[in-house]
Amino acid sequence: AQKVTQAQTEISVVEKEDVTLDCVYETRDTTYYLFWYKQPPSGELVFLIRRNSFDEQNEISGRYSWNFQKSTSSFNFTITASQVVDSAVYFCALSFHMDSNYQLIWGAGTKLIIKP
Amino acid sequence: DAGVIQSPRHEVTEMGQEVTLRCKPISGHDYLFWYRQTMMRGLELLIYFNNNVPIDDSGMPEDRFSAKMPNASFSTLKIQPSEPRDSAVYFCASSLGSGTVRTEAFFGQGTRLTVV
Repeated sequence: AQKVTQAQTEISVVEKEDVTLDCVYETRDTTYYLFWYKQPPSGELVFLIRRNSFDEQNEISGRYSWNFQKSTSSFNFTITASQVVDSAVYFCALSFHMDSNYQLIWGAGTKLIIKP
Repeated sequence: DAGVIQSPRHEVTEMGQEVTLRCKPISGHDYLFWYRQTMMRGLELLIYFNNNVPIDDSGMPEDRFSAKMPNASFSTLKIQPSEPRDSAVYFCASSLGSGTVRTEAFFGQGTRLTVV
């Protein structure tokens, strides 16, 4: 089965704490892409990062970092020194091919609350 | 580029009326997706197009929903007749894909539909 699991429904931390959002995926394909999106209270879906299955390098962008581990089928997202503006719902997604068709499936999202 | 443009941003209509949602994808993108988001069901893929051709419409809830893409720069999602349970935020997204390469999906700001 092809699946994305975000087991944390909601996380609440105090500002300046570090927080990690988990994403576990399942796929039979050897070529696939993983994504993270942010949906702030205003409602738009904002792309954060894309990673393909052949690139296991971790990525850091400012306070954001991503840890891709194929051995555990995980693509976790860490926010360092969290800020109130980081409060949002974060989605992990997986794209792959099935029957020559492109598929994109989503996790259920993790609601992150950063308290001042 | 202006990004994915959806209209209207908000729509309030009475049950039984026809509703048409519009989307202009990013120029040059060959994939277009329609999603629906509700608190109960999260983010659901309704249909997607590749080069203006519908590829997978298995997510369309019922015959009251239809989607078209008459050209590369325009798509519509129509609900006729609308029902209160169709109330949701509808997102359009586009992406660029060639072969096995898939870019991220860029989302419009969504149309918040309320059927009373």
